[in-house]
Amino acid sequence: SQTIHQWPATLVQPVGSPLSLECTVEGTSNPNLYWYRQAAGRGLQLLFYSVGIGQISSEVPQNLSASRPQDRQFILSSKKLLLSDSGFYLCAQAKAGYEQYFGPGTRLTVT
Amino acid sequence: QKEVEQDPGPLSVPEGAIVSLNCTYSNSAFQYFMWYRQYSRKGPELLMYTYSSGNKEDGRFTAQVDKSSKYISLFIRDSQPSDSATYLCAMRENGQNFVFGPGTRLSVLP
Repeated sequence: SQTIHQWPATLVQPVGSPLSLECTVEGTSNPNLYWYRQAAGRGLQLLFYSVGIGQISSEVPQNLSASRPQDRQFILSSKKLLLSDSGFYLCAQAKAGYEQYFGPGTRLTVT
Repeated sequence: QKEVEQDPGPLSVPEGAIVSLNCTYSNSAFQYFMWYRQYSRKGPELLMYTYSSGNKEDGRFTAQVDKSSKYISLFIRDSQPSDSATYLCAMRENGQNFVFGPGTRLSVLP
């Protein structure tokens, strides 16, 4: 079965600092990969998705970026964090594009 | 109108009750429907998925889709305190990305 790893689990960063969140997937190949953000008490906002290495689609224009350097690795980055970037970041994969599975998440607090 | 709407709750029920969680949507092209359970500070866990209209049962959980009414439901029988979580509905049309509801927080009281 597939497993999704995310790290770090929690992160506290000052405004203006860079960000790098990593997601790796085990047990599957060539998955569709997704980054979501979940603000407190709110639904999931799709940030980026990728259908293959080097292929990234952005859903929301903002100061975040994503990269997929390997088939099962997905990275979310920022050069300068904003207060509004605080939230719970979730990586997900969907092998068949039908069932989507989530990782454990990274809780980011920007101070 | 939001694409997917969900009763926000919170919803509190006694242990053993039957729980009904509901979502409505506006996009008639949605074909795949999912329910997720999310415990506090954890990633969502896929509970049920259905294609098109109809019912699907898995243990104490039943997912129901009524495409004519653009309405989906998740029923939980014999609810347990361990069912206390936020429940998210999600749906997608063929070849497109998933769209999530905002979630309903459920508390099952012992």
